[in-house]
Amino acid sequence: GNSVTQMEGPVTLSEEAFLTINCTYTATGYPSLFWYVQYPGEGLQLLLKATKADDKGSNKGFEATYRKETTSFHLEKGSVQVSDSAVYFCALTAYNQAGTALIFGKGTTLSVSS
Amino acid sequence: EADIYQTPRYLVIGTGKKITLECSQTMGHDKMYWYQQDPGMELHLIHYSYGVNSTEKGDLSSESTVSRIRTEHFPLTLESARPSHTSQYLCASSGGYLRAYGYTFGSGTRLTVV
Repeated sequence: GNSVTQMEGPVTLSEEAFLTINCTYTATGYPSLFWYVQYPGEGLQLLLKATKADDKGSNKGFEATYRKETTSFHLEKGSVQVSDSAVYFCALTAYNQAGTALIFGKGTTLSVSS
Repeated sequence: EADIYQTPRYLVIGTGKKITLECSQTMGHDKMYWYQQDPGMELHLIHYSYGVNSTEKGDLSSESTVSRIRTEHFPLTLESARPSHTSQYLCASSGGYLRAYGYTFGSGTRLTVV
């Protein structure tokens, strides 16, 4: 079946450190891949996306590359800020009983200290 | 500027009360979803709708019900609230091309039943 696996958190970093949050997936066909971010007390916001293999999504200094050969979509940022503290969700498009829907990973909490 | 609105943002209510969580979107999206978010931040799909007069139950069994009488409106109702219903509830919508745009989420309703 279709699924998303994210690295477990929490991830704790100091300001200006390099960030990687791993995401791997299992899917039939050719899904689109997304990263969403959820700040405390808020809903989820789309951070970046990639719709086909080798595409790189980027936004606000975050990047992720759609790697079909390793079925991965790891999120990276070169220098994190305290304001990046949030929960990050990896997701893919899949067909299930809801038709085309998003399948989410369990989320990874990032905490950045100054 | 949010295009999908959830009210109230926070609600504390006594056991046995009937409550309705509101969700409205101005984007003309056909598909709408309700997610319950557990304390570990994992998202669970509880209801979805493909359009007016269409409602389906999601992956997680829920005692709540939903209706879709208008395209823009997708309220969730609990007939008799219990402490086990305490959670964050997130509403989302999607337009015709999910692969390109993903979901748009509301800011959520944090429900506490005492």
